[in-house]
Amino acid sequence: GAGVSQSPSNKVTEKGKDVELRCDPISGHTALYWYRQSLGQGLEFLIYFQGNSAPDKSGLPSDRFSAERTGGSVSTLTIQRTQQEDSAVYLCASSATTSGLGAQYFGPGTRLLVL
Amino acid sequence: LAKTTQPISMDSYEGQEVNITCSHNNIATNDYITWYQQFPSQGPRFIIQGYKTKVTNEVASLFIPADRKSSTLSLPRVSLSDTAVYYCLVGAYNNNDMRFGAGTRLTVKP
Repeated sequence: GAGVSQSPSNKVTEKGKDVELRCDPISGHTALYWYRQSLGQGLEFLIYFQGNSAPDKSGLPSDRFSAERTGGSVSTLTIQRTQQEDSAVYLCASSATTSGLGAQYFGPGTRLLVL
Repeated sequence: LAKTTQPISMDSYEGQEVNITCSHNNIATNDYITWYQQFPSQGPRFIIQGYKTKVTNEVASLFIPADRKSSTLSLPRVSLSDTAVYYCLVGAYNNNDMRFGAGTRLTVKP
């Protein structure tokens, strides 16, 4: 089917507001990843889900960030009380392999701008 | 924890072979090595993956020495459309420490 989709594609918000970013992985992919990419920078790993297992949240930059994955499919990344330094592109990827390290298929990203 | 190091940038010309090396001295036994390509305003795209020795597909080759502390992505006969940022990733499915390198910005000139 279709590739990884993310919504919204762009989000402008005011400092202090909460935002929710959505990721729809490729159907059947058990692994889901969130990354953050600041302008001109590399990818910063945030969180990883594998099936219905509890994720390891140690990559999240602060307690204002949280993520959930419902029914082993759609995932939502929530940023509370946004700060200007949260401005970045948030990328989601999914993978089918449960051993080794399968190819990650990335979505187009959500460009977040915090004013 | 595996951490990767790549050259910041490389220049090449159309038709040449390009080799980009990634260092990962602390690679773990279960870690695989994966390379991605990223164009501006797009998410990264999978190129190739390997565990040891050599892997080849239709677009690239990946060379991994026996100690696995580095890997080299080889792009044969590059074209202008290969201008992009190339990332090396080391990790395993049950290890959430997915460390992308800072990326190598490859510029292919005519």
